[in-house]
Amino acid sequence: DIQMTQSPSSLSASVGDRVTITCRASQSISIHLVWYQQKPGKAPNLLIFDASSLQSGVPSRFSGSGSGTDFTLTISSLQPEDFATYYCQQSYSIPPTFGPGTKVDIK
Amino acid sequence: EVHVMESGGGVVQPGGSLRLSCAASGFSFDDYPMHWVRQGPGKGLEWVSLISGDGGSTFHADSVKGRFTISKDSSKNSLYLQMNSLTTEDTAFYYCAKDNGLGSIFEYWGQGTLVTVSS
Repeated sequence: DIQMTQSPSSLSASVGDRVTITCRASQSISIHLVWYQQKPGKAPNLLIFDASSLQSGVPSRFSGSGSGTDFTLTISSLQPEDFATYYCQQSYSIPPTFGPGTKVDIK
Repeated sequence: EVHVMESGGGVVQPGGSLRLSCAASGFSFDDYPMHWVRQGPGKGLEWVSLISGDGGSTFHADSVKGRFTISKDSSKNSLYLQMNSLTTEDTAFYYCAKDNGLGSIFEYWGQGTLVTVSS
């Protein structure tokens, strides 16, 4: 199975900050990387697929980049509704596997 | 509008069985793979099972292989997860998720149903 890691595990930021989260795969997954946002008590919400394709309805302040083994999720200007946990997931092979998550909270 | 909704969670003793259901609407049920994903209390996400749109192919995580079975009934637009030989490690919220058609990209999720395995 492909192992996914994320850094940092948590971060504190202020509204308006630029936030970057990193995800790494244990082997090359091309561009088959997905990002989700999850708020407490809610199901995850799809943000980005294929490393950089923005899901319909997701604000443009979210962007993704990377290929191979190293990927990033960037929030260009953090908004109050963006405080949540973010997960990456590889969709390259079965079983799909998730990173451990990055919790973004208020500084 | 796409909608998926799980049901069937509850409290079960170790070694017991439970069947989860997921009602789907707003899309052509036979055209998309469907998944079950779980999340232990305060833990991360774990993919559990996948079924192809036509129901002809299924896949399960090693952690549930031989104990869980995913299935679907297209006449009812419903997805199922039969869970047998449950252990405390299976305690989690179980989410039904629609694939976006590109392969293991979870486009729509239900609200989740809680399975608690406890004596």
